[in-house]
Amino acid sequence: GESVGLHLPTLSVQEGDNSIINCAYSNSASDYFIWYKQESGKGPQFIIDIRSNMDKRQGQRVTVLLNKTVKHLSLQIAATQPGDSAVYFCAENMGRNAGNMLTFGGGTRLMVKP
Amino acid sequence: DSGVTQTPKHLITATGQRVTLRCSPRSGDLSVYWYQQSLDQGLQFLIQYYNGEERAKGNILERFSAQQFPDLHSELNLSSLELGDSALYFCASSPDPPDNSPLHFGNGTRLTVT
Repeated sequence: GESVGLHLPTLSVQEGDNSIINCAYSNSASDYFIWYKQESGKGPQFIIDIRSNMDKRQGQRVTVLLNKTVKHLSLQIAATQPGDSAVYFCAENMGRNAGNMLTFGGGTRLMVKP
Repeated sequence: DSGVTQTPKHLITATGQRVTLRCSPRSGDLSVYWYQQSLDQGLQFLIQYYNGEERAKGNILERFSAQQFPDLHSELNLSSLELGDSALYFCASSPDPPDNSPLHFGNGTRLTVT
């Protein structure tokens, strides 16, 4: 069954193309950011993270870019595959004084067309 | 598999009732977080426990309470249930120290209040 709401922004890409998912975060004091993938009926799954002292980090087929000046985070997925279809959330860590809790963005639904 | 276990997977109950959701964190993780995911509000942080002690509180209703036991499993108690409490409830855990570490989520409990 579905796990998230009906009013998510949706990105539709062709299989094999690159995907870019964007996120604006709210707190300039946040020092740690994470991208999660959520498939239907499952919990959020960790993809990649980045600390505020970096502006780029690469994983396997994924790259996260951080622009602290404009408080913007992006997730790039190379050679997008049908298995990448899911909802993607960015999350910011509000810092130790807030118990390191994560605040999540609203999510973007990625649909991959075969 | 994240290693975080939540039970039950589904729960259907009536308004006014009380339910208990259970979470077992990943082996070795001392922090447990509870999140609520509803259709119109995304993932909302409820509460965090660290090694048995409450560490941070989010927008948790007074009708809701949680605890973490000596074996580190956690329970979220929801009472006087209302229709609007219908949602997915996720538990997550993180290692020690929790600073700048990703949270690992279970697959959630879907609560339906009728």
